[in-house]
Amino acid sequence: SQQGEEDPQALSIQEGENATMNCSYKTSINNLQWYRQNSGRGLVHLILIRSNEREKHSGRLRVTLDTSKKSSSLLITASRAADTASYFCAKGREETSGSRLTFGEGTQLTVNP
Amino acid sequence: EAGVAQSPRYKIIEKRQSVAFWCNPISGHATLYWYQQILGQGPKLLIQFQNNGVVDDSQLPKDRFSAERLKGVDSTLKIQPAKLEDSAVYLCASSLVGGDRTQYFGPGTRLLVL
Repeated sequence: SQQGEEDPQALSIQEGENATMNCSYKTSINNLQWYRQNSGRGLVHLILIRSNEREKHSGRLRVTLDTSKKSSSLLITASRAADTASYFCAKGREETSGSRLTFGEGTQLTVNP
Repeated sequence: EAGVAQSPRYKIIEKRQSVAFWCNPISGHATLYWYQQILGQGPKLLIQFQNNGVVDDSQLPKDRFSAERLKGVDSTLKIQPAKLEDSAVYLCASSLVGGDRTQYFGPGTRLLVL
């Protein structure tokens, strides 16, 4: 089964509002990553938070990680219509051969102008 | 810097036919991944290469799927024969082995099996 389950499955907000998406996972991780996927386009890497970090910021994005609860959240502040996309969290494991990602099912975010 | 290139972008075939997808990773990226993304789901790893060697193909349906990366650069993924349930987007990604191991994804190939 997929690791990194997102909640909610779908979220609709107005432009300017904040959007919060949550992700839970089951097994140990080295990092947790968030990706965005616009309709018909590939996945774009947004942010990576390591297992020893609790919070990370990148522009309007804020990610938190609680390893005791095996959960993470992605906050998008002051949302824009262009933020409309699917957002995926991915459990990351670092191995000598490269990074391994296991994706969740995603949250479909709609930002209404 | 050029991103991950994939072709074709779209493919429609009938069941039991064969199909092949091509991927050219970012220059210098030794690790290459193929993912399958079924509509409404997250991507699922099919196979991972480091240079021209297979690192992980545990989720590759080997009775019908095959992949190669003969010279450690470009890669092809083949399905033969295709089934209806193979309809999906096939994503290729690449990353460095050391340093920044972020996976960079191509635009994908959308496959429809009729």
